[in-house]
Amino acid sequence: DGGITQSPKYLFRKEGQNVTLSCEQNLNHDAMYWYRQDPGQGLRLIYYSQIVNDFQKGDIAEGYSVSREKKESFPLTVTSAQKNPTAFYLCASSAGAASYEQYFGPGTRLTVT
Amino acid sequence: GDSVTQMEGPVTLSEEAFLTINCTYTATGYPSLFWYVQYPGEGLQLLLKATKADDKGSNKGFEATYRKETTSFHLEKGSVQVSDSAVYFCALSDRGTGRRALTFGSGTRLQVQP
Repeated sequence: DGGITQSPKYLFRKEGQNVTLSCEQNLNHDAMYWYRQDPGQGLRLIYYSQIVNDFQKGDIAEGYSVSREKKESFPLTVTSAQKNPTAFYLCASSAGAASYEQYFGPGTRLTVT
Repeated sequence: GDSVTQMEGPVTLSEEAFLTINCTYTATGYPSLFWYVQYPGEGLQLLLKATKADDKGSNKGFEATYRKETTSFHLEKGSVQVSDSAVYFCALSDRGTGRRALTFGSGTRLQVQP
């Protein structure tokens, strides 16, 4: 089955530690995205990548970093510089230039204490 | 910039009631419009979409019409079920800006009681 996988589903870290969230897709999609969701709020864009080895900052990129070395993978690192890292993180992908609908993974809930 | 405004929830209905969730948008270009649904603890699932004015998206009994004159994309369902309880997000993607990332509303929680 084609889809997007995110791991782990739940992640716990101590303050001051960097943590990397995994996102893999087997849909052969060119574009991939990371969103952050806080309780009772909509999704906010962190980073996106339209092609391998290229990515752009979204609306709330500070304290986060990404890489896109392979088409299938778009890992997100939450650094110690991110002031409020506890949130639900969602990865998404979309097909090429003609398609704007996005497909989402199941999400990773990160808790930093 | 682009924005999406949804009615605040929660919306509480009895089973078989009629549902409307309002969504209006502001966009600088030519948006495609979407409704996504999120069940507790899960990611978002695409429910329906419309890519141009007067298009009607429909899926699983839900429908929404792209109204350019009122900049709206209201979600409707004639008879809700308990299984429809979830959070619904209206979103747009603005082709005119070239940015393909979605702009989301804040979500509307629907609770359907038996």
